[in-house]
Amino acid sequence: AQSVAQPEDQVNVAEGNPLTVKCTYSVSGNPYLFWYVQYPNRGLQFLLKYITGDNLVKGSYGFEAEFNKSQTSFHLKKPSALVSDSALYFCAVRDFDNFNKFYFGSGTKLNVKP
Amino acid sequence: EPEVTQTPSHQVTQMGQEVILRCVPISNHLYFYWYRQILGQKVEFLVSFYNNEISEKSEIFDDQFSVERPDGSNFTLKIRSTKLEDSAMYFCASSGGARGSYEQYFGPGTRLTVT
Repeated sequence: AQSVAQPEDQVNVAEGNPLTVKCTYSVSGNPYLFWYVQYPNRGLQFLLKYITGDNLVKGSYGFEAEFNKSQTSFHLKKPSALVSDSALYFCAVRDFDNFNKFYFGSGTKLNVKP
Repeated sequence: EPEVTQTPSHQVTQMGQEVILRCVPISNHLYFYWYRQILGQKVEFLVSFYNNEISEKSEIFDDQFSVERPDGSNFTLKIRSTKLEDSAMYFCASSGGARGSYEQYFGPGTRLTVT
């Protein structure tokens, strides 16, 4: 079965410090991986995706993610966190056999303190 | 910037009643989705829709659920006989491309409360 896991319910980081939000995946075949962010009372917003190519993917708002096939991970990173980055972050993977079916992680709440 | 819209923002209904949640996807998108998020839990895929038919559906999407694109702009989710456990935030999303390689654009959600 395909799935993603976000092992941390919450990540706390000080403004200006680097941040990492972790995601691991389990999927047969080559994964299509996505990161989305959700601000309070809003829908999810796309940040970045990995389909193929370079393992380091750059996305919106200075975020990037590194695809690591051997560790089956797709961690979200940012070199310098902002208070405005505080939100709920979701990792998602496309089902390998069913192209329009997606699995989301449980979400990680990022708290960036001034 | 084009966006996905959803109405209503909040729907309260009694158990056993039918509800219809409405979405207007981005106009040139071809793929449409419904997800639900029970408070504090993960976002769960319900169904995807393409070319006027269901493309994929999850185990959650049983006979009490149906989707429709009644005209060129709206995309609806109907829950025939609501249960208490249907209380959740329901998100509509749309995507412009094929085979799950394109990002999805989400609406702001409809909070459904079943009493």
